Amino acid sequence: AQSVTQLGSHVSVSEGALVLLRCNYSSSVPPYLFWYVQYPNQGLQLLLKYTSAATLVKGINGFEAEFKKSETSFHLTKPSAHMSDAAEYFCASYYGGSQGNLIFGKGTKLSVKP
Amino acid sequence: DGGITQSPKYLFRKEGQNVTLSCEQNLNHDAMYWYRQDPGQGLRLIYYSQIVNDFQKGDIAEGYSVSREKKESFPLTVTSAQKNPTAFYLCASSPSGKLDTQYFGPGTRLTVL
Repeated sequence: AQSVTQLGSHVSVSEGALVLLRCNYSSSVPPYLFWYVQYPNQGLQLLLKYTSAATLVKGINGFEAEFKKSETSFHLTKPSAHMSDAAEYFCASYYGGSQGNLIFGKGTKLSVKP
Repeated sequence: DGGITQSPKYLFRKEGQNVTLSCEQNLNHDAMYWYRQDPGQGLRLIYYSQIVNDFQKGDIAEGYSVSREKKESFPLTVTSAQKNPTAFYLCASSPSGKLDTQYFGPGTRLTVL
């Protein structure tokens, strides 16, 4: 079965430090890939998406992600963490033929220390 | 403003009772989805609908039912057959249901006592 794996259920960084959240997909066919953010008791907000147009994707709030086919990865980065970045982040993917089925990783909770 | 609304935000029910969660969108999207979220589990698809009067089971449809009588509405009923209904439920919609971005509502937290 196709899957999305997020390494690290909890990541902690200091304010101003680099944020790196890892996501790997399991498919030989590059899928469509998404990163969402969720603040406590709220819905998910789209950060960015990859649809094969460009391997480096820029999103909202200073986040970006790079698609690496050789590593089957789509890691999310931000050069300098802000306190407001503290939230849970989800990587998700459509695979070929799964028209309705957006497959989610289990999420990574980001904490930002002052 | 266009968007997805879910009501209520918090819902409490006694064990054995059916309960219906509301989801409405004014984005003119064809496709709508219901997900269940449990801590550490990510989101799991319950049902989805790509067009009015049609819907498909997702990965965890047992104990749930839906209807899609109007384009803007996709209510979810949690039946007494659902063995562990306490969870956070998220509704989403997308323009066509074919590899589109899904947009999410604010969620309903259901607690069964």
